[in-house]
Amino acid sequence: NAGVTQTPKFQVLKTGQSMTLQCAQDMNHEYMSWYRQDPGMGLRLIHYSVGAGITDQGEVPNGYNVSRSTTEDFPLRLLSAAPSQTSVYFCASSSREGVKDEQYFGPGTRLTVT
Amino acid sequence: DAKTTQPNSMESNEEEPVHLPCNHSTISGTDYIHWYRQLPSQGPEYVIHGLTSNVNNRMASLAIAEDRKSSTLILHRATLRDAAVYYCILSPTGGTSYGKLTFGQGTILTVHP
Repeated sequence: NAGVTQTPKFQVLKTGQSMTLQCAQDMNHEYMSWYRQDPGMGLRLIHYSVGAGITDQGEVPNGYNVSRSTTEDFPLRLLSAAPSQTSVYFCASSSREGVKDEQYFGPGTRLTVT
Repeated sequence: DAKTTQPNSMESNEEEPVHLPCNHSTISGTDYIHWYRQLPSQGPEYVIHGLTSNVNNRMASLAIAEDRKSSTLILHRATLRDAAVYYCILSPTGGTSYGKLTFGQGTILTVHP
């Protein structure tokens, strides 16, 4: 299993541009989520999904959209990038029952908005 | 949501045990206690979790106080590879908060050779 994969690894955007961060998992996990981590801080939950077609907002959802059309993929869309969205973005997944056990995190996408 | 409190940093010598404390005085009965760690430039990595009883796995042990208001992550013999930020997290299993992890600042563990 590849686990949780994220693309791209690095991205630089100009203010106002849009883009999609990709996240995929091959473990047939129902639960997927997106976090952002600002320098020197812990992770903050952006959006999460408990299954295909079901998404909900986390702690810091503004400026981001998500959709979950398949079990495997959970893309994160930045609608109009702002410098405040400069951060490292992590995707995570777990089985529905495994939510009590462990979540698997991807390697992250480092985004810089100028 | 229930919060956790951890020391900002701790230091250890290689091959010595490390005890990382966590206070969670407002924990609810359905919250699991999770520990994750994050090595430099990597995503968080699961370490261990528990509900009421002490837990052991190949990476670490988790000691949970009887009243569940505090817990301690124990690394039995620290190695240089254990240098990381350690997060103590309460994972709710009830209502709409199911499975959401709320990360605090964590404890930066430095391991000296």
